[in-house]
Amino acid sequence: VQLVESGGGLVQPGKSLKLSCSASGFTFSSYGMHWIRQAPGKGLDWVAYISSSSGTVYADAVKGRFTISRDNAKNTLYLQLNSLKSEDTAIYYCARRDYGGPLDYWGQGVMVTVSS
Amino acid sequence: EIVLTQSPTTTAASPGEKVTITCLASSSVSNMYWYQQKSGASPKLLIYSTSSLASGVPDRFSGSGSGTSYSLTINTMEAEDAATYYCQQWSSNPLTFGSGTKLEIK
Repeated sequence: VQLVESGGGLVQPGKSLKLSCSASGFTFSSYGMHWIRQAPGKGLDWVAYISSSSGTVYADAVKGRFTISRDNAKNTLYLQLNSLKSEDTAIYYCARRDYGGPLDYWGQGVMVTVSS
Repeated sequence: EIVLTQSPTTTAASPGEKVTITCLASSSVSNMYWYQQKSGASPKLLIYSTSSLASGVPDRFSGSGSGTSYSLTINTMEAEDAATYYCQQWSSNPLTFGSGTKLEIK
């Protein structure tokens, strides 16, 4: 199992960014997937979840601004980040949800910095 | 939202010492998960379904608890166990993590 995030970078407040998480080594379409973030020096903060059938759930802090999606043909998970704020600055991880519920595999993370 | 309160926030243990980290939930949860995060690395699953060891995790780690009180125990501390540990629940939305316990080696 391998999860590789990409698409991070430095972006101005109010702008947009799209993160990708490329999955391999398992049947991507059969698993739910999460995005979790970690601000510098802080703890883990759950962002969003998409089920294998593409149902979605969001944290209140990002609802209406971020959109999680998936392309099973490309084995890729996405996170569209709009109206970015300085408090969105963090490492963003994608993680696989195992059938029992835990986040059993995590990517290496991608840094998003929101600053003018 | 279910708030998970971990204690202690920071602790240190000598090699061979027993370590216990507690996670208290603001409402009852059906299962607790535990993750280990070493400096500069991604989190790694340690314990699932409260007390089951994830694949490859040494058996000096164990989890227990029910309702609103859960714990992670390291039976005999080793230098490689120095890390930050997080509990996590998803019995109800939103999924939440504890604030973390930093474990250092003496």
